[in-house]
Amino acid sequence: RKEVEQDPGPFNVPEGATVAFNCTYSNSASQSFFWYRQDCRKEPKLLMSVYSSGNEDGRFTAQLNRASQYISLLIRDSKLSDSATYLCVVNQGGKLIFGQGTELSVKP
Amino acid sequence: DGGITQSPKYLFRKEGQNVTLSCEQNLNHDAMYWYRQDPGQGLRLIYYSQIVNDFQKGDIAEGYSVSREKKESFPLTVTSAQKNPTAFYLCASTNPAFDNEKLFFGSGTQLSVL
Repeated sequence: RKEVEQDPGPFNVPEGATVAFNCTYSNSASQSFFWYRQDCRKEPKLLMSVYSSGNEDGRFTAQLNRASQYISLLIRDSKLSDSATYLCVVNQGGKLIFGQGTELSVKP
Repeated sequence: DGGITQSPKYLFRKEGQNVTLSCEQNLNHDAMYWYRQDPGQGLRLIYYSQIVNDFQKGDIAEGYSVSREKKESFPLTVTSAQKNPTAFYLCASTNPAFDNEKLFFGSGTQLSVL
């Protein structure tokens, strides 16, 4: 089993749709969690950290479920500019591990 | 401006040759990381260092070596033992005590085999 595993993509959605990504992790001792966005062969950019209580930033909502060992990212009212690859990241004692990424394509 | 600088942007390696990718940061970060990305895939951890003069293997360390003699520098050597080195290499740093462990990335090095 991979240490961090994401939904296989790609996700093709129309503008305005709501889309959700899931990410599971295998090590229950994982300490912190993040979502990054990566555009076409550029460096990843931090989208948001994921807190136990859940957190929201505009159209983006992140959730953490420690009991089931998964994190999620919800994007509401998706825009063309949201098209990118979304990567979840898990911190295991200083070792920052990325999922394989889920590609999102938002169409007009 | 503070940041991470990777060089070169493009690098070509001949068969049997060792090459070194440079990564320098002026953010005063303790932790630094090297990742490899293949087309259509996520980032895989090669090596990481949480403090100067110390580093640990990641998930795909075979065929690579690193050093961390200075806080600001974490060069990666791709040795001739790495049989499939063509990939996009990303260096990152973070300060676990601050910045909420946000990773700061360099702009990457594309390595290709001649």
